[in-house]
Amino acid sequence: EVQLVESGGDLVQPGGSLRLSCAASGFTFSNYWMHWVRQAPGKGLVWVSRINSDGSSTTYADSVKGRFTISRDNAKNTLYLQMNSLRAEDATVYYCARGADINYIKGNWFDPWGQGTLVTVSS
Amino acid sequence: DIVMTQSPDSLAVSLGERATINCKSSQSVLYSSNNKNYLTWYQQRPGQPPKLLIYWASTRESGVPDRFSGSGSATDFTLTISSLQAEDVAVYYCQQYYSTPYTFGQGTKLEIK
Repeated sequence: EVQLVESGGDLVQPGGSLRLSCAASGFTFSNYWMHWVRQAPGKGLVWVSRINSDGSSTTYADSVKGRFTISRDNAKNTLYLQMNSLRAEDATVYYCARGADINYIKGNWFDPWGQGTLVTVSS
Repeated sequence: DIVMTQSPDSLAVSLGERATINCKSSQSVLYSSNNKNYLTWYQQRPGQPPKLLIYWASTRESGVPDRFSGSGSATDFTLTISSLQAEDVAVYYCQQYYSTPYTFGQGTKLEIK
């Protein structure tokens, strides 16, 4: 079964840092792009970042550029999101999601999604 | 950025009736080299992550009931549920994957009348 499990969400003070992890199983992790998408409680979905299959290419939403870093460890089948200089508006549920395969047979839509991990930013 | 706008924001439909959700993009998401529309639809039930329903604007994901269908091209798209079931109560989102930043519609909340 294809599965993504996020972890690392926590309460952090404004200006603080946090690292999220996403453990993948049930598929060849190194063959896929991966994404982070966030959703404030009761609000819509916002794409955050993507990374290609070997980690050599990354892209960010303007709202997190320069503060967040996406990375992956294909040997550990794990995706990461390092979040620095956290702001109140970063307080949301963060989902990891699988994207395109290396041959682009599957496009860069998001399937599946993890269950999400909650980040709270408050003093 | 490509802005995705859904209509309506909420919708109440009787069981067994048709539900139609529209999605408009601020620029075309049709890629001319392969004639594919880079548009997906997701369903998000309360307390759950989104679930993929439709990709390439009209291809139903494996396991998705055939009462769900997608149509449209370039900038105007529609998700249709032909006969509403109780389990279809959810928020539905369209999303473009034509260019980054990937963007979603604001969501349409579907309820039973």
